[in-house]
Amino acid sequence: QKEVEQNSGPLSVPEGAIASLNCTYSDRGSQSFFWYRQYSGKSPELIMSIYSNGDKEDGRFTAQLNKASQYVSLLIRDSQPSDSATYLCAVLSNSGYALNFGKGTSLLVTP
Amino acid sequence: EAQVTQNPRYLITVTGKKLTVTCSQNMNHEYMSWYRQDPGLGLRQIYYSMNVEVTDKGDVPEGYKVSRKEKRNFPLILESPSPNQTSLYFCASSLSIAGVGEAFFGQGTRLTVV
Repeated sequence: QKEVEQNSGPLSVPEGAIASLNCTYSDRGSQSFFWYRQYSGKSPELIMSIYSNGDKEDGRFTAQLNKASQYVSLLIRDSQPSDSATYLCAVLSNSGYALNFGKGTSLLVTP
Repeated sequence: EAQVTQNPRYLITVTGKKLTVTCSQNMNHEYMSWYRQDPGLGLRQIYYSMNVEVTDKGDVPEGYKVSRKEKRNFPLILESPSPNQTSLYFCASSLSIAGVGEAFFGQGTRLTVV
């Protein structure tokens, strides 16, 4: 099984700060990477996808990918209490048919 | 409304009693999959289906069966449930094989096997 590693947290940041969530993966051939958000008791929802090295921005969210270091990160600017959730990193397998998830990082944004 | 619908949402059953969790999507998606989510273990893929009549094992397929007779439906079958199958189950669908990572998840089914 391909490994996707995340710090479980909780990561606590004050409202308005930047939250930085990190993920490493073991399969050097992986090409597609995703961040999902899961509120407590709810299902995961896709918030970002990234396929190329570098940064991809969408509103307050920025995904960063470094394939050489096998590292993906998610930055949340101007964090809000409503961003408090578990963030799941997902990596598409080499076959393209299976999505491997990390265990998630719990984020708490305090007012 | 575009959605993935799972039923039931909650289920308590006894060891060995066959059960089926249904999953239906109304988005004409080709790809569907089942995951289980356990504390400390995260989301793990059970089975997936690339299209009608095409299914394959994920990381934790033991004790589960699936079928894909219609594009919209992808039921999960537990022939003889055991307590270690107590978990939160999610069905997900994606538009196509090219977009597997962009998945829509159902609301989840919390299964307890006693």
